Amino acid sequence: GENVEQHPSTLSVQEGDSAVIKCTYSDSASNYFPWYKQELGKGPQLIIDIRSNVGEKKDQRIAVTLNKTAKHFSLHITETQPEDSAVYFCAASIPRDDKIIFGKGTRLHILP
Amino acid sequence: EAEVAQSPRYKITEKSQAVAFWCDPISGHATLYWYRQILGQGPELLVQFQDESVVDDSQLPKDRFSAERLKGVDSTLKIQPAELGDSAMYLCASSFSPSGHQETQYFGPGTRLLVL
Repeated sequence: GENVEQHPSTLSVQEGDSAVIKCTYSDSASNYFPWYKQELGKGPQLIIDIRSNVGEKKDQRIAVTLNKTAKHFSLHITETQPEDSAVYFCAASIPRDDKIIFGKGTRLHILP
Repeated sequence: EAEVAQSPRYKITEKSQAVAFWCDPISGHATLYWYRQILGQGPELLVQFQDESVVDDSQLPKDRFSAERLKGVDSTLKIQPAELGDSAMYLCASSFSPSGHQETQYFGPGTRLLVL
């Protein structure tokens, strides 16, 4: 079946540095790619998303890039802060099934 | 800001008992999803509703799980009987998606289930 691979599973970054999380997807028809942040004991919260008609999208310290040819997309967080510590999930749409599937998540630790 | 509501937030039950979870999506959202999230994993879709109709329950263990959205608004997910392996976070999400086409999904806070 279709799947989304996410790397790394754990990432530790010094406060103020940048963090990059990468995902690859298998369905060439995927056209919607959301990123979610999940804090302990809470539901996932959408932080940014991108559709296949653009290659990059930015919102303050967060940016997402998409390479459709290579079927991968990445989340970039700049000037990291302690409140960025959380688990981040990427996801990709499966248009024929009208659903999205999630990666396994990246636990991001921001070190003081 | 409108949010997806879920209750209860936590549920502890013994195996073989019945449990039920409730979800109230964002007002006006036609599509409702139930996901199961095992610790350390991403959410996995159990069932998807478009209004009151089930459009995908291929991953729902139908021998013990059932879901309904009778009036196309709130929804209930039931497990009977609960098994040890059902311990997980159960997440509800909704999207506007009047045609079922992919739109942003908004998640509730989840119900954490522990089966003893």
